[in-house]
Amino acid sequence: DSGVTQTPKHLITATGQRVTLRCSPRSGDLSVYWYQQSLDQGLQFLIQYYNGEERAKGNILERFSAQQFPDLHSELNLSSLELGDSALYFCASSVSNYEQYFGPGTRLTVT
Amino acid sequence: SQQGEEDPQALSIQEGENATMNCSYKTSINNLQWYRQNSGRGLVHLILIRSNEREKHSGRLRVTLDTSKKSSSLLITASRAADTASYFCASSGNTGKLIFGQGTTLQVKP
Repeated sequence: DSGVTQTPKHLITATGQRVTLRCSPRSGDLSVYWYQQSLDQGLQFLIQYYNGEERAKGNILERFSAQQFPDLHSELNLSSLELGDSALYFCASSVSNYEQYFGPGTRLTVT
Repeated sequence: SQQGEEDPQALSIQEGENATMNCSYKTSINNLQWYRQNSGRGLVHLILIRSNEREKHSGRLRVTLDTSKKSSSLLITASRAADTASYFCASSGNTGKLIFGQGTTLQVKP
């Protein structure tokens, strides 16, 4: 158990819908990272927050947004969902720019 | 794409043998990390090597880093069936974000 929790574990929704994925980092970790894992794109970095502020942005679509709250938990919002958004979404946390601790992931299926 | 490449894509060995995986990356790094993923589950951090280090050991793991060639290798010695998993290298720069390779799927046969 990494200490990072993600909810929900599975999510099935229809195209055009909006979903919110939630992540609670390890106690004391200020950085939260979001990654997407799909068969065709592999593991892709989406976005990083550090103590509530956006720190780095990767291959994140405009339809996706994220935020980190004062209690350090983070949410990833995915809207106008398309079939190609079906993937595993991971959250990771770290205390510094070193090893990251990954949550179990949310498996999103868009039908 | 910034993604690194890993080689081989798949590796099948017998228990007790050594497994070697190679990784190449594209940008300058602060460190390079290796992660393991068991079948669709979360990634587990294995080992980190800093850009000024050339070799690092942790238990049965040995990692090398050649920054001039932008490459790294992971050696797992005396492999076990429980080592069956996908292995990913990930390069990390100033912000800490990880750029992953495509992964090597390792199967260790009992």
